[in-house]
Amino acid sequence: KAGVTQTPRYLIKTRGQQVTLSCSPISGHRSVSWYQQTPGQGLQFLFEYFSETQRNKGNFPGRFSGRQFSNSRSEMNVSTLELGDSALYLCASSLEGGGGYTFGSGTRLTVV
Amino acid sequence: AQSVTQLDSHVSVSEGTPVLLRCNYSSSYSPSLFWYVQHPNKGLQLLLKYTSAATLVKGINGFEAEFKKSETSFHLTKPSAHMSDAAEYFCVVSPLGTSYGKLTFGQGTILTVHP
Repeated sequence: KAGVTQTPRYLIKTRGQQVTLSCSPISGHRSVSWYQQTPGQGLQFLFEYFSETQRNKGNFPGRFSGRQFSNSRSEMNVSTLELGDSALYLCASSLEGGGGYTFGSGTRLTVV
Repeated sequence: AQSVTQLDSHVSVSEGTPVLLRCNYSSSYSPSLFWYVQHPNKGLQLLLKYTSAATLVKGINGFEAEFKKSETSFHLTKPSAHMSDAAEYFCVVSPLGTSYGKLTFGQGTILTVHP
């Protein structure tokens, strides 16, 4: 069965721009979480969606937002990009959000 | 609140020797605990998980971990290292309850395997 698919794999943006990343979960999984991975801060939780509702949110500024569609696919958006937003963004899906999570390969965002 | 401490940032072993990656956790509630592996430029792969059943958990590729509540530890072991085990390993805690999706990651342990 297909895994978690994240698109695009790589992205280069300029400071001040905005970006949208996409995540398609494993079929049947209704929980989608997003994480930011950087060498300095490690892996940090951004937010979690379940059945189109945000259930949990990490400590990131409001420039980071997300949504989930009725087919469980999720997008995250970062507005007014800063150099510090350069990171690997990982998406993970789970049946209901309480057990093991399956991660995608990530989107590598570089802000120049 | 919950936290995870991986006691070694780097571990180096020879192929065929045992692997021990150490993890201590802190959680207000009975947690679920996981070990994930990340190969270079790849996503995270689940090795094993503990969810309050058996304290000795067997995972993929010969890895196992033992949950010790009294020591708040969840160390990862493998009897014999293989070159393909070289990667970064993350110990992860997720509390039971309503903290949906909010996994807390350790800082990671880079495992190097020498021929």
